[in-house]
Amino acid sequence: EPEVTQTPSHQVTQMGQEVILRCVPISNHLYFYWYRQILGQKVEFLVSFYNNEISEKSEIFDDQFSVERPDGSNFTLKIRSTKLEDSAMYFCASSRQGIYGYTFGSGTRLTVV
Amino acid sequence: DAKTTQPTSMDCAEGRAANLPCNHSTISGNEYVYWYRQIHSQGPQYIIHGLKNNETNEMASLIITEDRKSSTLILPHATLRDTAVYYCIVRVANSNSGYALNFGKGTSLLVTP
Repeated sequence: EPEVTQTPSHQVTQMGQEVILRCVPISNHLYFYWYRQILGQKVEFLVSFYNNEISEKSEIFDDQFSVERPDGSNFTLKIRSTKLEDSAMYFCASSRQGIYGYTFGSGTRLTVV
Repeated sequence: DAKTTQPTSMDCAEGRAANLPCNHSTISGNEYVYWYRQIHSQGPQYIIHGLKNNETNEMASLIITEDRKSSTLILPHATLRDTAVYYCIVRVANSNSGYALNFGKGTSLLVTP
C-alpha cells in the first residue's frame, strides 16, 4: 500500500537554528498538509498546499514557517528560527482530492534544546 | 465546522463489535463526517467518511442517523491492535480543495483480551 514517507524520524536542534522537515507524499496525490502534535496534546493543523501554493493555514503557521514542493516529489516544512515550543511531532499528509481521506506519514519528532 | 461530541473513553472485549458514537447536532448539509484514529505515537489513520448514507469498507462501518445529527463508527470484530484514540471530524469537503481537519480529544478505545 502506498505510504507517505517522512525524514528524519527524529531531529534534535538548538534553539534559533533553522530546520527542514522532509516528506515524500503519495505520487498521484494533489493535496499536501502539515500537522503537528505537542506531546500529550491534540493534533493541530498547520497548512495545506495545492497547485504549488498554500490553500489554507492556521494561526500557528506564522512567518517562521514556510512550505515548499521543490522538485515535484518532496514536500518540505521549514522552521526558520526554532523555539523551545516548536518541539513536537510533525506529521505530513497527502490526499488525492479534497473529499477523500488523508494518508499521514509516521512523523518527525522535533526536539529543540 | 460543526462541533462534535464523543465519549472520552470506551472499553471493548476482543472479538466483539466496538460501537463508537459521535454527536454533531449542528452539522450542515454540505458537511461530511470523517473518522480517523491514532495508535499511540503514530500518525493518524483515515478510517471512513460519509455524507448521509451508511458506508462500509474493509476497516469499519459508518452509520449516520437520518437527521445527520449523530453517527456511529462500528469496528465489527475488535482486536487488540484497534486500541487507539478515535476522532470524529465534521468538515465541508469538495473535489477541488483540501481541507483542514480539526482533531478534538476523540474517544480512547481500549480493547481488552
